Amino acid sequence: DSGVTQTPKHLITATGQRVTLRCSPRSGDLSVYWYQQSLDQGLQFLIQYYNGEERAKGNILERFSAQQFPDLHSELNLSSLELGDSALYFCASSVGLGNTGELFFGEGSRLTVL
Amino acid sequence: GENVEQHPSTLSVQEGDSAVIKCTYSDSASNYFPWYKQELGKGPQLIIDIRSNVGEKKDQRIAVTLNKTAKHFSLHITETQPEDSAVYFCAVPPPYTDSWGKFQFGAGTQVVVTP
Repeated sequence: DSGVTQTPKHLITATGQRVTLRCSPRSGDLSVYWYQQSLDQGLQFLIQYYNGEERAKGNILERFSAQQFPDLHSELNLSSLELGDSALYFCASSVGLGNTGELFFGEGSRLTVL
Repeated sequence: GENVEQHPSTLSVQEGDSAVIKCTYSDSASNYFPWYKQELGKGPQLIIDIRSNVGEKKDQRIAVTLNKTAKHFSLHITETQPEDSAVYFCAVPPPYTDSWGKFQFGAGTQVVVTP
């Protein structure tokens, strides 16, 4: 158990809909990261928050947004969903800013868009 | 940005044999090189990492070697066991402080250990 909690574990929805994925980082970790894992793209970095502020951004679509709340949990919002958004979405956390430390991953949220 | 190439994409080994996975990267300023293991239905988990001031690090049956000159690092698993079957990812963090956290992961290696 990594200590990172993600909900929901599975989500099935239709194109055009909006979903919210939630992540609770390990106790004491200030950084939260979101990654997308699809079969043909591997693990793709989406965005990082550190202590409530956006710290780094990857190839995150404009239809996607995220935030980190004062209690350090984070939410990833995916809107106007398309079939290609079907993937595993992982949240990870770390103590510091991330360039020289371990990332602790949750078990992921599997999104299926029909 | 960082370019990370990982080979092979799949690796089948007999139980007890060794497995080696290699990653190459492009930015010479990178100084931290982790390997993650992802079991079916789970998130990736760090199994070993190395920093640029050493050339090799061992932890029981796994080891990582780093060649900074050639810009590659490798994961070595000896005496493989069925529980080593998983997908293994190398990762390279960005060297620039304004993009901390933008770990670039390799494409992954599916390792299958057959009894």
